[in-house]
Amino acid sequence: DIQMTQSPSSLSASVGDRVTITCRASQSISSYLNWYQQKPGKAPKLLIYAASSLQSGVPSRFSGSGSGTDFTLTISSLQPEDFATYYCQQSYSTLSYTFGQGTKLEIK
Amino acid sequence: EVQLVESGGGLVQPGRSLRLSCTASGFTFGDYAMSWVRQAPGKGLEWVGFIRSKAYGGTTEYAASVKGRFTISRDDSKSIAYLQMNSLKTEDTAVYYCTRGPYGDYNRFDYWGQGTLVTVSS
Repeated sequence: DIQMTQSPSSLSASVGDRVTITCRASQSISSYLNWYQQKPGKAPKLLIYAASSLQSGVPSRFSGSGSGTDFTLTISSLQPEDFATYYCQQSYSTLSYTFGQGTKLEIK
Repeated sequence: EVQLVESGGGLVQPGRSLRLSCTASGFTFGDYAMSWVRQAPGKGLEWVGFIRSKAYGGTTEYAASVKGRFTISRDDSKSIAYLQMNSLKTEDTAVYYCTRGPYGDYNRFDYWGQGTLVTVSS
């Protein structure tokens, strides 16, 4: 199975900050990388697909980059509603669509 | 509006079975693969498996942790995907989400249900 490792596991930041979350794959996955946001008690929400494509309806302050094994999710200016847990997911291997362990973004 | 609604969760004893349903609306269900993803209490997301659309054979793939115990099926006439869970273990306790996908050139999972809680305990 392809392993996905996110860093950091948790992060404290303030409204207005620029934040970057990293995801690393155990082997090359080209651009087959999705990012999700999950708030407590809610279902995950797709933010970014194909490593850098913004899902319809998602604010433009969210962006993704990377290819191969290293990827980043950037929030350009944190808003109060952005405090949540973020997951990356590889969609390269059709036999197992593994997720990263998550990054919890908290208010400083 | 795309909607996915899971049902069928509850408390079940170890070794028993349970079937979850995912009722879809707002899109042509038969055109899409459908997946199940679970989340144990306080833990991260774990992909469980998916079923392809009939156009791609309607075949299934499963995570190693559930292969041989869980079966995904679909009824396109009713727009429902099912997750049949047999020989349940305490470690199967989780919220189970259905999601539309993998879909598109890069296999996205774009819509998710609200989830249904399965508790495996004696």
